[in-house]
Amino acid sequence: QVTLRESGPALLKPTQTLTLTCSFSGFSLTTSPMCVTWIRQPPGKALEWLALIDWEDDEYYNPSLRPRLTISKDTSRNQVILRMTKMDPVDTATYYCARCFDFWGQGILVTVSS
Amino acid sequence: DIQMTQSPSSLSASVGDRVTITCRASQGIRNDLGWYQQKPGKAPKRLISTASILQSGVPSRFSGSGSGTEFTLTISSLQPEDFATYFCLQHNTYPLTFGGGTKVEI
Repeated sequence: QVTLRESGPALLKPTQTLTLTCSFSGFSLTTSPMCVTWIRQPPGKALEWLALIDWEDDEYYNPSLRPRLTISKDTSRNQVILRMTKMDPVDTATYYCARCFDFWGQGILVTVSS
Repeated sequence: DIQMTQSPSSLSASVGDRVTITCRASQGIRNDLGWYQQKPGKAPKRLISTASILQSGVPSRFSGSGSGTEFTLTISSLQPEDFATYFCLQHNTYPLTFGGGTKVEI
């Protein structure tokens, strides 16, 4: 059974760095053609793809956010980490991780406010 | 970036209705498209992969079709549990992009 769960802070202040962890089970990120991706959805708005890391450690980013994003993985812990710097209130959103494009986590609401 | 134009953005329907949702890609994406259902507070669930492959456990009233730039999700007979938001995702080209979503309401 594939499961994913996002964890991290619910509230951040502007300019702070967001670190989110995706803990998964039911698959290995060392096996082709596995990947884990991050997506976000601001309240009432459409989904936006952020970043993806695959079994070969290749990383892919949304160019509009690339300077602020870093994705990494810890295969020993079955975790994928997303870092986003210089958080702003417009980054308030529910952040999801997903196995490639099939199974998704429940999401975590991150609010950026002073 | 590939733009995914999804229509309609919302629709009102009744139980038993046939519902059709469309996603148009700004350039060809072969059949690298999935359809998802999202209910409030729940994780999105993939219904269709590779444009037309029904995922295991998904009722057969859901179907997908299309290739290239035009894709369709059809619900043949809407059930009460189908009232939700639906969206498409293209994974042919980075950056991955989503349709804007379709809210299916009573």
